[in-house]
Amino acid sequence: DIQMTQSPSSLSASVGDRVTITCRASQSISKYLNWYQQKPGKAPKLLIYAASSFQSGVPSRFSGSGSGTDFTLTISSLQPEDFATYYCQQSYSTPRTFGQGTKVEIK
Amino acid sequence: QITLKESGPTLVKPTQTLTLTCTFSGFSLSTSGVGVGWIRQPPGKALEWLALIYWDDDKRYSQSLKSRLTITKDTSKNQVILTMTNMDPVDTATYYCAHSQGYSGYEDYWGQGTLVTVSS
Repeated sequence: DIQMTQSPSSLSASVGDRVTITCRASQSISKYLNWYQQKPGKAPKLLIYAASSFQSGVPSRFSGSGSGTDFTLTISSLQPEDFATYYCQQSYSTPRTFGQGTKVEIK
Repeated sequence: QITLKESGPTLVKPTQTLTLTCTFSGFSLSTSGVGVGWIRQPPGKALEWLALIYWDDDKRYSQSLKSRLTITKDTSKNQVILTMTNMDPVDTATYYCAHSQGYSGYEDYWGQGTLVTVSS
């Protein structure tokens, strides 16, 4: 299985801050990297697929980049509704493994 | 509009077999490129991908759980069924089904999830 490692595991930030979350794959996955947002008690929501493509309806303050083994999710200006846990997932091969999650909390 | 909903028991005993049904609408599982997958999440923990079935009946499984999982589809009923044998308390989790797009795609629509507790 391909292992996905996210960092940090958690972070505290203020509204308006720029936030960056990284995800590293244990082997090259080309651009087959997806990002999800999950709020407490809710199902995950797809934000970005194929490393940098936006899912319909996702605000433009979210962006993704990377290829190979290293990827980044950036929130350009954190909004109150962005406080959540974010997961990366590789879809290069099955099983489609997830990272351990990054919890974004209010500072 | 694509929707999915999980159903099944909320409580199972250790060693029992869990059967979960995902009933969906807004798409057909006979359409090329489409799949339905299952993902679970133990309380307070990360997401764990379990299984996926494609429109052509290709089936993929988590390697660590492969011996315990079976995924099937009933295209006429718009349902996907996941069975997991020999349930253990560590299998207590919220189980989600999700619409999947493409072989190297993503889970773009998710059900609300169903919490399954394993306890005697």
